[in-house]
Amino acid sequence: GESVGLHLPTLSVQEGDNSIINCAYSNSASDYFIWYKQESGKGPQFIIDIRSNMDKRQGQRVTVLLNKTVKHLSLQIAATQPGDSAVYFCAERIGGYGNKLVFGAGTILRVKS
Amino acid sequence: GAVVSQHPSRVICKSGTSVKIECRSLDFQATTMFWYRQFPKQSLMLMATSNEGSKATYEQGVEKDKFLINHASLTLSTLTVTSAHPEDSSFYICSASALAGGPDEQFFGPGTRLTVL
Repeated sequence: GESVGLHLPTLSVQEGDNSIINCAYSNSASDYFIWYKQESGKGPQFIIDIRSNMDKRQGQRVTVLLNKTVKHLSLQIAATQPGDSAVYFCAERIGGYGNKLVFGAGTILRVKS
Repeated sequence: GAVVSQHPSRVICKSGTSVKIECRSLDFQATTMFWYRQFPKQSLMLMATSNEGSKATYEQGVEKDKFLINHASLTLSTLTVTSAHPEDSSFYICSASALAGGPDEQFFGPGTRLTVL
């Protein structure tokens, strides 16, 4: 949904462990979902996407799960590394190709060495 | 991959002046460009959607006379913050969506840090 959070939740994990970041989206008509990674002072970086006709998609070390019944999206990062430390945002596209994205509130991932 | 650039990367200006930020798609044509604003420790908030050759569509609460958007070509959109005030200080990010038939994803620029004194 529309992001209004002032305090981003933080997930702290040990290097080498798996991370799971969750996101609740707002619009059941959203057809496309993306996870972005944002490092301090930089623009969002694409990680992985999934269309609404799928429930799972895997990339290199990352997996996105989509549960349309409860409007929930998750990002799993395997063998988390220090370089994975960043803020992670989910985004939903409303209205089809070329239409706007609505970003979630974001989650800070901190990887402890 | 598709690259989007922004210029300048950071700008400091005095209150009351206007600032122009450019967003360029470097290796693809973008039918649609989007402008976002991000305050510290917050998410990206969409300000407006810009289509080449037509007027931008602004989100609710965003003043179109204050944030002027021009999308004159398929590779360039500009955002002008007019009569800037300290509360306009923020991180401004653009994204671009390729022509129909291209990838679904939007490609984001590196952002522009605006500080209004």
